[in-house]
Amino acid sequence: SQQGEEDPQALSIQEGENATMNCSYKTSINNLQWYRQNSGRGLVHLILIRSNEREKHSGRLRVTLDTSKKSSSLLITASRAADTASYFCVPYNQGGKLIFGQGTELSVKP
Amino acid sequence: DTAVSQTPKYLVTQMGNDKSIKCEQNLGHDTMYWYKQDSKKFLKIMFSYNNKELIINETVPNRFSPKSPDKAHLNLHINSLELGDSAVYFCASSQGGPNTEAFFGQGTRLTVV
Repeated sequence: SQQGEEDPQALSIQEGENATMNCSYKTSINNLQWYRQNSGRGLVHLILIRSNEREKHSGRLRVTLDTSKKSSSLLITASRAADTASYFCVPYNQGGKLIFGQGTELSVKP
Repeated sequence: DTAVSQTPKYLVTQMGNDKSIKCEQNLGHDTMYWYKQDSKKFLKIMFSYNNKELIINETVPNRFSPKSPDKAHLNLHINSLELGDSAVYFCASSQGGPNTEAFFGQGTRLTVV
């Protein structure tokens, strides 16, 4: 099992700007998942991208995966104050566990 | 309807007490988990059950005992509570194990005084 390492640890932007968060991991994966946690709340699953996929979209979210570089990125376009949250990437390989890192703390200022 | 629900949401108790946190999921999932989130926001897996059977048991003091009466419920019982047990505890469930998305409860904030 492995955990993803999110970068940056904290990100502050203005409403309407795009936010990009990066994730690196160490060993091969079956899939990589992104979760969001609003302050004081539970985690919400955003996107799951499989190892044979390179890009996935969901509304204003775009996730890329580069297995050769062992990295992923999450792009939030036209950010809103409600996007303020911590974002976690979770690489998964068969037989392992979902292990969470420390996340990226995103602050979107109105 | 709440998919994964935990009770209570807040729990304040004295050192040495025994307490339980309950978790129920109405998603029909076969795998359930308990996670602990400390003050630095690290989420650590504690236990995982698949169809009522324990499949993951991380290095957790044996004061923590999970109980799964059926596959929709996974309760966490903690004996002899210590100050260091203060954290937010999250229950989660998934279908088919960790290879698919997990649904989390809202968390139980445990404060040991």
